[in-house]
Amino acid sequence: GAGVSQSPSNKVTEKGKDVELRCDPISGHTALYWYRQSLGQGLEFLIYFQGNSAPDKSGLPSDRFSAERTGGSVSTLTIQRTQQEDSAVYLCASSLGPDRGGYTFGSGTRLTVV
Amino acid sequence: GENVEQHPSTLSVQEGDSAVIKCTYSDSASNYFPWYKQELGKGPQLIIDIRSNVGEKKDQRIAVTLNKTAKHFSLHITETQPEDSAVYFCAADTGRRALTFGSGTRLQVQP
Repeated sequence: GAGVSQSPSNKVTEKGKDVELRCDPISGHTALYWYRQSLGQGLEFLIYFQGNSAPDKSGLPSDRFSAERTGGSVSTLTIQRTQQEDSAVYLCASSLGPDRGGYTFGSGTRLTVV
Repeated sequence: GENVEQHPSTLSVQEGDSAVIKCTYSDSASNYFPWYKQELGKGPQLIIDIRSNVGEKKDQRIAVTLNKTAKHFSLHITETQPEDSAVYFCAADTGRRALTFGSGTRLQVQP
């Protein structure tokens, strides 16, 4: 597609429920990244996929967070047993690869845990 | 790992004035430094970037300077306009992992 697409744009969930956030990167981009942005804060790195390599999961805050990327394209970020502190905007970005220039970000999914 | 510090956190200027945002990084292996603009309700958008083999880069009213020795880089916006109001993020990249972002600067251009 023309840009990075994320869905849903907004998600309200009850504490303790699981949620799945989807990212559809730009076609041909081999690298995909997930970041989290809390209200008025900076971008916190979560996970990075590059081609067929093992993902860099070093930013995931707990084992309740996981992500996969199927077929080198679409990615899903899953948060299990959501907590109120998980409320944030989850941003996905894609790029041509490491050291290949800037990222293109999606508009994000705003997650609210009530 | 890499650490990026960004200042100021907020900046208010009059329309037509210049705005400068500064960042420092810790990892001397970083070789790529992009700047992003984030408008309300949107994802960050790349506005300019610079690689470590260049000291300055300009694109119309925006410019970025890099001092590798001091490990700092700056964004300069001249002739600011109300539509420049947004949150700006700097970032640094070693090429080994994902970008590390600064904490952001909220720029307000007063008409």
